[in-house]
Amino acid sequence: EPEVTQTPSHQVTQMGQEVILRCVPISNHLYFYWYRQILGQKVEFLVSFYNNEISEKSEIFDDQFSVERPDGSNFTLKIRSTKLEDSAMYFCASSEQGAENEQFFGPGTRLTVL
Amino acid sequence: GENVEQHPSTLSVQEGDSAVIKCTYSDSASNYFPWYKQELGKRPQLIIDIRSNVGEKKDQRIAVTLNKTAKHFSLHITETQPEDSAVYFCAAGGSGYSTLTFGKGTMLLVSP
Repeated sequence: EPEVTQTPSHQVTQMGQEVILRCVPISNHLYFYWYRQILGQKVEFLVSFYNNEISEKSEIFDDQFSVERPDGSNFTLKIRSTKLEDSAMYFCASSEQGAENEQFFGPGTRLTVL
Repeated sequence: GENVEQHPSTLSVQEGDSAVIKCTYSDSASNYFPWYKQELGKRPQLIIDIRSNVGEKKDQRIAVTLNKTAKHFSLHITETQPEDSAVYFCAAGGSGYSTLTFGKGTMLLVSP
């Protein structure tokens, strides 16, 4: 069964550094998402992406964040200048259609900012 | 924006008992309500979902009910087993928005 994949599984970085988290959505899916989950807390929506542009973003997704689909398979989340509070698990998800359709989550990237 | 409240935050049951987790939502335009199960250190996985044109849906030991008037929906697990132990998240979305708003989660512990 196809799955969403993410790399790396764990990223450790220094405060102020840029990080890029990578995701490969399920191949026939058209909608892509990033969520984050701070340890022990709920899953929080960051951004959704469709047709090569952002369709929705949350208040968390400020100017430090950006997303890109650089080729036909990868979907990336960039954090330009990481802060301590960016430490979290970041999940990528994809869905075949948009609203009212199952979102399939990747295994996550644990980001630790020191 | 949408706000989803979930209760209880923890739920301990004996194996074989039923478990019920409840969620309320604020945006009457929401029309898609999935439930995700997340085992420790793993990704959230969809276990059941319901759309607003349906009041109840069942899949083996799992059922979900939706009351659109009251804006609440519930997850029911019957004949619980130790492997049901996990954190369960409800979410609300749909109505043209791709965003899912999650509840805070319920840690379900099933004791043998």
